[in-house]
Order: sequence, then C-alpha cells, then structure tokens
Amino acid sequence: EVQLVESGGGLVQPGRSMKLSCAASGFTFNNYDMAWVCQAPKKGLEWVATISYDGSSTYYRDSVKGRFTISRDNAKSTLYLQMDSLRSEDTATYYCARHLGYSSVFAYWGQGTLVTVSS
Amino acid sequence: DIQMTQSPASLSASLGETVTIECRASEDIYNGLAWYQQKPGKSPQLLIYNANSLHTGVPSRFSGSGSGTQYSLKINSLQSEDVASYFCQQYYDYWTFGGGTKLELK
Repeated sequence: EVQLVESGGGLVQPGRSMKLSCAASGFTFNNYDMAWVCQAPKKGLEWVATISYDGSSTYYRDSVKGRFTISRDNAKSTLYLQMDSLRSEDTATYYCARHLGYSSVFAYWGQGTLVTVSS
Repeated sequence: DIQMTQSPASLSASLGETVTIECRASEDIYNGLAWYQQKPGKSPQLLIYNANSLHTGVPSRFSGSGSGTQYSLKINSLQSEDVASYFCQQYYDYWTFGGGTKLELK
C-alpha cells in the first residue's frame, strides 16, 4: 500500500523558514517523480513544486521560485520542501503527492501538514 | 499559464441522480486533464486521468469526457458517499487546478 506521511508544519513568523518532510513507503520511491501541492484554508488546490525521480530536474510555480526548494533523499525514501522567506499568503495545508508514473497526474496523496505564517 | 475554469461552483442533487461538472481550459490541453475528489477534512483522491481513464479502484459510475478545451465529469446514480468537492486539473503544461465544485445532497 502506498503511504505518504508529511511532517514539519506548524506556526512560523513571516520572513522565517520551515522545512517539510514526506516519508514514503509501499512503492519504489526512486522510480517516481514527486510533488508538493498546497491548499489555503477553505480554498482550492495549487501545485507548488515537482522533482524528477532522480532529483536531476525541479519545477516550481512562479510565486515560490527563489524562496522554496524541493529535494529528495532516495536512500531514505523521503521528499522535502525547504520554505524560506515565508509570507502570510503561504499559509496552507501542504500535501506530498506521487505522480502516476506513465502520466504526470498526482495518483497518491499524503494527509497533509498545515503551515501557518503569522506574527 | 493555462487557466482552468470549472462550473458550477456548487451543486445540489438527489440520490440516484446523474450529475455533470464542466471544466474549460484557456487553451487546448490535448486531453491532459484529470479529476479529483476531496471529501471534507481529507486529502484529494484521483478519479480520472487522460480525460477519460478511470483510476484504479474508482467506481464505474464516474466517467470523464471531452477534448480540446472542454471537459466534463459525470457521476451516474449519485450515492451519499459522493458528497465532496471535485477539482479538475490540467497537466499538459505544468499543473493547474480548477476552482472546484462542491457537491451536496438535496
């Protein structure tokens, strides 16, 4: 069974940093591209970043370029999101997601971790 | 950037009814379209990809159709467990979601 478990969320002040982790199990982690998707309270979904299966390629939405860094440790089957210079508008639940493999849709999702940016 | 416009924003239907949700892309996305279901307090779940392919384990009362810029999700014989929000997503050029449709029981 595919499992994705996020951690690292919480309350952080504007301008500070936070690092999210996503522990994966139930599949061969280094075979799949992975992504982070966020959802502001009572709002819709927004793709944040994607990393290729081997970590060689990364992609970001414009609003987080230069502030967020997606990375992975295939030996630990763990995905990361380093978030710097956080803003109030980054407040959201952040989901880790696995791409389908033969399609770039998000086939499996974690339960999410809430990040609240506030002074 | 490709924009996704989803309609309606909310929908009320009766058990056993057939429901249709529409999604329009700002340009041709060549069937790079997925549908997700999100129940209250839960993470999204993939229903449909490639516009009309049912994801593993998804009931056959869900179906997708469309091409070009216009796509739709149909739910036949609405069940109580289908109460949820539904989101379309294009993945032809990066990834963009529609605004969502909240489906409630009448």
